[in-house]
Amino acid sequence: GNSVTQMEGPVTLSEEAFLTINCTYTATGYPSLFWYVQYPGEGLQLLLKATKADDKGSNKGFEATYRKETTSFHLEKGSVQVSDSAVYFCALSDTSGTYKYIFGTGTRLKVLA
Amino acid sequence: AAGVIQSPRHLIKEKRETATLKCYPIPRHDTVYWYQQGPGQDPQFLISFYEKMQSDKGSIPDRFSAQQFSDYHSELNMSSLELGDSALYFCASSSGQGARGWTEAFFGQGTRLTVV
Repeated sequence: GNSVTQMEGPVTLSEEAFLTINCTYTATGYPSLFWYVQYPGEGLQLLLKATKADDKGSNKGFEATYRKETTSFHLEKGSVQVSDSAVYFCALSDTSGTYKYIFGTGTRLKVLA
Repeated sequence: AAGVIQSPRHLIKEKRETATLKCYPIPRHDTVYWYQQGPGQDPQFLISFYEKMQSDKGSIPDRFSAQQFSDYHSELNMSSLELGDSALYFCASSSGQGARGWTEAFFGQGTRLTVV
């Protein structure tokens, strides 16, 4: 079945450091890919998405490119801020004709001032 | 802009009691999803509805049931609660499957259920 694998956290960075959170997926067909962010005590917020190969999603300085050849959707940001501290979830839309999203295990990011 | 509304935000129940969680999707969204997120865990899919019909079922215990009503709001009913049911329960909504594939799901703030 479809699945998502994320790099394990926590990831601890200094402010203004470069961020990469790896995400790879297994899916039949052509899923859409998403990054969601969860701040402490809050729900999941859509950060960015890509719906087809080579699409680049971007938002708030974060970027991710849908790479079909490597089945990856790595999240990057050039300069992180303390306010970026959160848990980041990679997700895909199921392609088996059902209505659900499949999430990775989440990567906790902690940015130090 | 209107978001997904969940109620209550917090709920404390005793073992073997019953709980009902409510979800009000974004207006004109016809698809609702329920997820369970244990402490430090990723969200686990429970069940989804499209146009008031159950469309998919995940790892939802038989003690749980859900439905989507004519106004598209949804309720998750949980009976014979166990300590292990303590978790954050998220509802999400989307406008179903678009012509070119999925539209993104928008999540509510969640209901934190604590079973004691």
